[in-house]
Amino acid sequence: GAGVSQTPSNKVTEKGKYVELRCDPISGHTALYWYRQSLGQGPEFLIYFQGTGAADDSGLPNDRFFAVRPEGSVSTLKIQRTERGDSAVYLCASSLTRTLNTGELFFGEGSRLTVL
Amino acid sequence: AQTVTQSQPEMSVQEAETVTLSCTYDTSENNYYLFWYKQPPSRQMILVIRQEAYKQQNATENRFSVNFQKAAKSFSLKISDSQLGDTAMYFCACTGANSKLTFGKGITLSVRP
Repeated sequence: GAGVSQTPSNKVTEKGKYVELRCDPISGHTALYWYRQSLGQGPEFLIYFQGTGAADDSGLPNDRFFAVRPEGSVSTLKIQRTERGDSAVYLCASSLTRTLNTGELFFGEGSRLTVL
Repeated sequence: AQTVTQSQPEMSVQEAETVTLSCTYDTSENNYYLFWYKQPPSRQMILVIRQEAYKQQNATENRFSVNFQKAAKSFSLKISDSQLGDTAMYFCACTGANSKLTFGKGITLSVRP
């Protein structure tokens, strides 16, 4: 596609429920990132994929969070047993490998998660 | 590890005037990049300008320019001839060999007509 696509745009769920957030990166971008942005804060790194593998998952807050990218394209961020503190905008970004360290990331519009 | 600090939560500027947004950072990397990203209400982060740390010359992109002071670890953004469409949140960010962007808390810029 023309840009990074994220679905759903908004998700409201109840505490304890399971949630999946999807990211469709720009075609040909091998690097994919998930960030979490809480209200009034800057985005915080969660996980980075290079192809199908998670190259760095050091930002995942706990084992309720998990992400996959089985075919090296679309990625799904999965949150189990959601808590109110998980409420945030989840941003996805992709990049060509050759521009990885130069930080030329292309972001989607994010998925706003609200846990009641 | 990197840290990025934006101490101004918000600023306001008159249309057509110039405004400067401040940012300081800290990193243990020798080779790193610094960025300013813009986030309008649509939430999509858009790259405004990029600076390579090993280049002494300040980056410029049309109305946007930076003042990069490497020794002071300072990286401010100057917006000239401010336009209403510049109203947004602006984030300063840093990346190094670990391929992760570290963002500051952001600043809300309002351009008054």
